[in-house]
Amino acid sequence: NAGVTQTPKFRILKIGQSMTLQCTQDMNHNYMYWYRQDPGMGLKLIYYSVGAGITDKGEVPNGYNVSRSTTEDFPLRLELAAPSQTSVYFCASKTRGDTGELFFGEGSRLTVL
Amino acid sequence: ELKVEQNPLFLSMQEGKNYTIYCNYSTTSDRLYWYRQDPGKSLESLFVLLSNGAVKQEGRLMASLDTKARLSTLHITAAVHDLSATYFCAVFTNFGNEKLTFGTGTRLTIIP
Repeated sequence: NAGVTQTPKFRILKIGQSMTLQCTQDMNHNYMYWYRQDPGMGLKLIYYSVGAGITDKGEVPNGYNVSRSTTEDFPLRLELAAPSQTSVYFCASKTRGDTGELFFGEGSRLTVL
Repeated sequence: ELKVEQNPLFLSMQEGKNYTIYCNYSTTSDRLYWYRQDPGKSLESLFVLLSNGAVKQEGRLMASLDTKARLSTLHITAAVHDLSATYFCAVFTNFGNEKLTFGTGTRLTIIP
């Protein structure tokens, strides 16, 4: 059972560079989410998707973009990386419905220098 | 906008003692989740509470939900060192789309 898979696990970027964090789930979940967690803090929602072709902003979307062309994949794009984007990024997915549990990936630790 | 607050933010307690972590939220919801996070790790699901009055127990941890008070509690009984971790509550809102909003987290340290 792969569950939710994130790549890369670690990455160092220079200011102004761009990159894509990959997220894939094999549970046929409709809902997918991207969160960021700053050191010692809780999780903040960046973007989410309720199905292929449908995405919406969360609490902290600035500086990020997403797409959802398939049910399985939900990549997060960082444009023009800034030190404020240094964080751990978690992807998660769930089924539609009241009892759907949220499954998290292992996280991607990003440092912008 | 939904606010989810936990208290305390930090908790040091001795092994064998009991304590409660509180999670308050600001809008109507009948679904609340508790997660555990160890340092440098992802989030591990502990409990899913789906209705008013729901109570779930697993080992030394017990969670409850009062939707009228917009309050959930995570009670720790006879704490052991292995319970040292950060605990998060998270509340679902489904006004149009389903989003999970996390609390600030409670960093629990169990002292031998």
